[in-house]
Parts: sequence; structure tokens; C-alpha cells
Amino acid sequence: GAGVSQSPSNKVTEKGKDVELRCDPISGHTALYWYRQSLGQGLEFLIYFQGNSAPDKSGLPSDRFSAERTGGSVSTLTIQRTQQEDSAVYLCASSTGTGAPGANVLTFGAGSRLTVL
Amino acid sequence: GENVEQHPSTLSVQEGDSAVIKCTYSDSASNYFPWYKQELGKGPQLIIDIRSNVGEKKDQRIAVTLNKTAKHFSLHITETQPEDSAVYFCAASRNPRGGYQKVTFGIGTKLQVIP
Repeated sequence: GAGVSQSPSNKVTEKGKDVELRCDPISGHTALYWYRQSLGQGLEFLIYFQGNSAPDKSGLPSDRFSAERTGGSVSTLTIQRTQQEDSAVYLCASSTGTGAPGANVLTFGAGSRLTVL
Repeated sequence: GENVEQHPSTLSVQEGDSAVIKCTYSDSASNYFPWYKQELGKGPQLIIDIRSNVGEKKDQRIAVTLNKTAKHFSLHITETQPEDSAVYFCAASRNPRGGYQKVTFGIGTKLQVIP
């Protein structure tokens, strides 16, 4: 597609439920990032995928958070047993990938706003 | 790891005035410093960037300066317009050849341009 697509745009869930957030990066972009944007907290790095390399999961806040990227394209961020503090906007970004022109430039999606009641 | 601090967190200026946002970073190996603008309901978008071999870069009303010795960099917006109202993020990363690069963002500055 022309840009990074994220779904759902808004998700309201009850505490304790699992949620899945989807990211469809720009076609051909091998690098994919997930960030969390909480009020007053800026952009918090969660996880990074680059091609077939092992992902950098160093930003995942707890073992309730996981992410996968199938076929080097679409990525899903899963939050299990959601808590109220998980409420935030989850942003996905992609880039051309390591060593390629424009590798540093992140193109962000519009985000998925998660509200945990 | 890298730590990026950004200030102020909010900034209000009159239309036509200049706005300055400042950031500091901790990792002396960082050599790429982008600035992103986030409008309401949208994802951040790159507006300008600077590499460590350059001290200043300008694009129309926007300029960035970098002081590697002091490890700080700034965004300058001149002749501000209402459409400049948004949240601005600074960031820092390494750009190793063929290596992984992790982008660390500042907390963001909410800029309001008052007509």
C-alpha cells in the first residue's frame, strides 16, 4: 500500500481480555517497529523486526506483550490479560531496512488507540 | 542505552514569531538526529534530519543545529503559522553500515501557534 496501515484504529476492551493489533507496513520495507505513546510519555520503543533477523524485543514492558511478523510483512502485537495501564496509542512504523537508502526514515501509521476499562 | 531529553514539553508562540525546541542525548555514538511532527490523530512524520558530520541544516522555515561536543541539538521554526501547531519529537540513533539501528525519541513538545 501507499502507507503504513494499522487496525483497529480504536479498541475498547475490558481488563483481563486479550487484544491483537495489526500493522501492514509499506510494501518492500524490511524493517518494522512498534512504539507505544502514552499521555506525557513520548514514544516508547517496544519491538523491532529486520528481515529474517531475530527481533529486538528489549522494549516490551512485560511478558504479557508479544509480537510476530509473518512472511516479513504484516505484524501483530498481542497484549494478553490487559491492564488499565496498557491504555495508550500503539504506533507501528516501517523503513527500508538496514543499509538501504532511507533506512533511517520511519514511516508511521496512524496508530491504534487502546482503552482498557 | 541512548537517552534523549527534550524541552520544553509545551510551547505557545504568537503567529509570526520563532519557536525553538531543544534536545540532548547521552550516547556519543549516535550520529543521526531526525525530527518528527505529529498532527492530531495522525502518526509522526519526518520533517527534517541531520547527521553528525553537519552542524546545521535548513529547509525553508525550519532549521536544525547540532553540537556534538555538548551532545545537544535544536529545532528552529521561523515565521510560525497556525499549521505549525502540532507535537514535535526529536530522536537519535546510530547509523552503522549494515547494522541494526534503534531510534530513541524524546518526550515530545506540544507547540501551539496563536493566530
